[in-house]
Amino acid sequence: AQSVTQLGSHVSVSEGALVLLRCNYSSSVPPYLFWYVQYPNQGLQLLLKYTSAATLVKGINGFEAEFKKSETSFHLTKPSAHMSDAAEYFCAVWPPMDSNYQLIWGAGTKLIIKP
Amino acid sequence: NAGVMQNPRHLVRRRGQEARLRCSPMKGHSHVYWYRQLPEEGLKFMVYLQKENIIDESGMPKERFSAEFPKEGPSILRIQQVVRGDSAAYFCASSPETRTTEAFFGQGTRLTVV
Repeated sequence: AQSVTQLGSHVSVSEGALVLLRCNYSSSVPPYLFWYVQYPNQGLQLLLKYTSAATLVKGINGFEAEFKKSETSFHLTKPSAHMSDAAEYFCAVWPPMDSNYQLIWGAGTKLIIKP
Repeated sequence: NAGVMQNPRHLVRRRGQEARLRCSPMKGHSHVYWYRQLPEEGLKFMVYLQKENIIDESGMPKERFSAEFPKEGPSILRIQQVVRGDSAAYFCASSPETRTTEAFFGQGTRLTVV
């Protein structure tokens, strides 16, 4: 069965430091990949997505992610953290051959920004 | 084009009452998904519906929970005889026919059972 693993339920970085949130998926065929962000008491909004075009994907708010097939990874990065980036981040996958047509979700990573 | 609309945003129910959560998908979207998010946990898939059909309900508890997406009107997630453990945020998402685009989420309904 498809699965998505986000390493680290909490990640803490200093303001201005590099943000790296990890996501690995299990699939022999590259799926479509998404990063969503959830601010406190809000719904989820899309940060960026990979749908088999360019492997380096740029999203909103300065985030980007690189699809690496050899590592089955889709890690999210931002060069310089801002206090407003504090939120929970979810990696999700559309399995390419999944007949149930549902997103598979990671457990989420809470990003904490230290002043 | 309005986004995914969920109502109510907050719902308080006493134990044993029924909770009805509504979700209106984005215009032109025929796929609806319901998720539950317990405090300090990630999203858990509950059910996937298309108009008038339940496609996948593998994430739904076997009792007390039901969902529908009628031909006209919003999708409804119904929880009968609520218990304290049902307290959570319930999110609805919708998507169009193709899976190359993302699912769009509502703001969620926060259910509190007292």
